[in-house]
Amino acid sequence: DTAVSQTPKYLVTQMGNDKSIKCEQNLGHDTMYWYKQDSKKFLKIMFSYNNKELIINETVPNRFSPKSPDKAHLNLHINSLELGDSAVYFCASSLGQGDGYTFGSGTRLTVV
Amino acid sequence: GDSVTQMEGPVTLSEEAFLTINCTYTATGYPSLFWYVQYPGEGLQLLLKATKADDKGSNKGFEATYRKETTSFHLEKGSVQVSDSAVYFCALSENAAGNKLTFGGGTRVLVKP
Repeated sequence: DTAVSQTPKYLVTQMGNDKSIKCEQNLGHDTMYWYKQDSKKFLKIMFSYNNKELIINETVPNRFSPKSPDKAHLNLHINSLELGDSAVYFCASSLGQGDGYTFGSGTRLTVV
Repeated sequence: GDSVTQMEGPVTLSEEAFLTINCTYTATGYPSLFWYVQYPGEGLQLLLKATKADDKGSNKGFEATYRKETTSFHLEKGSVQVSDSAVYFCALSENAAGNKLTFGGGTRVLVKP
């Protein structure tokens, strides 16, 4: 029973396309996140949602739009994909402040 | 702003050797500190955490002590196994709105039999 699941696991697409990554958690956590991991393994937060409300938007281009239909889901839509968007995107959730995250297994996005 | 600095890898060890990965941080308040582990092709898993000064987090033979005076949270394991080969991330949370985790750059550890 996967705690944080994200789909797809791999995504290869052409520049200029629009794509979405879905994330769901069954832990009952209130807060969900999107992180980007670059080729050097550096992790940077993109967004944080608490009970469907956007809390953190960390200077991410407008082409990235998160959507949280309920507190168990946080999807990421990306418009007009660029080569520099190639990375692994991780979804995560946590119970509250000071708590560690539970991560999904990642979505490897390759833009060609 | 907040930042976390880890020793650069890769760290290559023989099985049963002692492992230390250094981590220091900069934060304005009193953060919670974490170590995460990432095995190849997987997401990050929480390894251990400490929420206040002098706390020691431990799990699976790994330990780290929250040292406020040196702003450090070094990870140690007394006897590593091949299965400990992974990338290890130190992270902090300022316990502010949004519960943002700031990560270090990660340290790759390779344990050889």
